[in-house]
Amino acid sequence: GAGVSQSPRYKVAKRGQDVALRCDPISGHVSLFWYQQALGQGPEFLTYFQNEAQLDKSGLPSDRFFAERPEGSVSTLKIQRTQQEDSAVYLCASSQLSGAYGYTFGSGTRLTVV
Amino acid sequence: KQEVTQIPAALSVPEGENLVLNCSFTDSAIYNLQWFRQDPGKGLTSLLLIQSSQREQTSGRLNASLDKSSGRSTLYIAASQPGDSATYLCAVEGWTQGGSEKLVFGKGTKLTVNP
Repeated sequence: GAGVSQSPRYKVAKRGQDVALRCDPISGHVSLFWYQQALGQGPEFLTYFQNEAQLDKSGLPSDRFFAERPEGSVSTLKIQRTQQEDSAVYLCASSQLSGAYGYTFGSGTRLTVV
Repeated sequence: KQEVTQIPAALSVPEGENLVLNCSFTDSAIYNLQWFRQDPGKGLTSLLLIQSSQREQTSGRLNASLDKSSGRSTLYIAASQPGDSATYLCAVEGWTQGGSEKLVFGKGTKLTVNP
């Protein structure tokens, strides 16, 4: 597609519920990133994929967070047993192999845990 | 650890004014610096990308400069318009603890241009 597509656009989850957030990157983009943006803050790095390989997950806040990109295109960020502090906007970005040409971000998924 | 600071946190100006947004970063070993715009409830729109070897980039009414040695960048907006109202984020590309490249963001400057 022409841009990075994320779904759902909004998600309300009850505390303890599992959620799955989807990202469709730009076709042909090798690199895919997930970021978390809390209210009033800048985005914070979560994890990075190069094709299907998850090369870096150093930003994932706990083992309740899991991400995958099994065929090197679509990626899913899964959060198990959601907690209120997980409420944030989750942004996906893709780029060519290197970020030298910049990153393209999706519109994000706003997760609210109640 | 790379830290990015943006000043001011918020700015309100009358339409037509020229303005400058500031960004500073603590580690000068960066690949590039990127300015983004974020509208309420929306994702990030890339405005300008400055490679580490470049000093500035221009696009329309926007001009961004980069001084790696001092760890500073500025975004200059000429003849501001109400449609420029948004949050402007500065991000530098650096290394994660896991050894890959990533963007490190400031908290943003919320700009309001009043008609």
